[in-house]
Amino acid sequence: ILNVEQSPQSLHVQEGDSTNFTCSFPSSNFYALHWYRWETAKSPEALFVMTLNGDEKKKGRISATLNTKEGYSYLYIKGSQPEDSATYLCAFYGNEKLTFGTGTRLTIIP
Amino acid sequence: DVKVTQSSRYLVKRTGEKVFLECVQDMDHENMFWYRQDPGLGLRLIYFSYDVKMKEKGDIPEGYSVSREKKERFSLILESASTNQTSMYLCASRGRSSYNEQFFGPGTRLTVL
Repeated sequence: ILNVEQSPQSLHVQEGDSTNFTCSFPSSNFYALHWYRWETAKSPEALFVMTLNGDEKKKGRISATLNTKEGYSYLYIKGSQPEDSATYLCAFYGNEKLTFGTGTRLTIIP
Repeated sequence: DVKVTQSSRYLVKRTGEKVFLECVQDMDHENMFWYRQDPGLGLRLIYFSYDVKMKEKGDIPEGYSVSREKKERFSLILESASTNQTSMYLCASRGRSSYNEQFFGPGTRLTVL
């Protein structure tokens, strides 16, 4: 079973502040890296699917970078808002399946 | 609006019962997945299916089976429920390409007493 690690496990951020967290994954046999946002009582929703080393993706105030050679991805949130409170999951695609990390639980303090 | 639906949000069953969890997607996706989510652990893959009547074991298939008789429907079966199968179960679907995102259902929180 592949090892996908996320840090920190949880994070409290003041509204308006920016934040970032990390996903580490195996650097060999890389196909894709997914980021999902999972809000309480809702379904996980895809944020990004990243496939190329050096890839940078952006959706509104959220962006992500990818380093496949060293096996990590960063997710950034700029100017945090209460609606950003959620668990953020990364998942490594390899061997025809997604392997998920345990997530970073983000709480925005108004 | 694309959708993956699951038959129940909450379910309580007794040890030894046979349990069916149903998942339906309306996106004509080839691939469907069953995961379970437990505190401190990531989403873990139980089974997946890449076509009607096809199934593949995931990382934790023991104690489960699946059925895919129609493209839009993927069922997870607990043959004889046990307390260690108390968990949140999530269904997902994905289009043909391996690079596509997965679309998730809302989850079923199963408690086995």
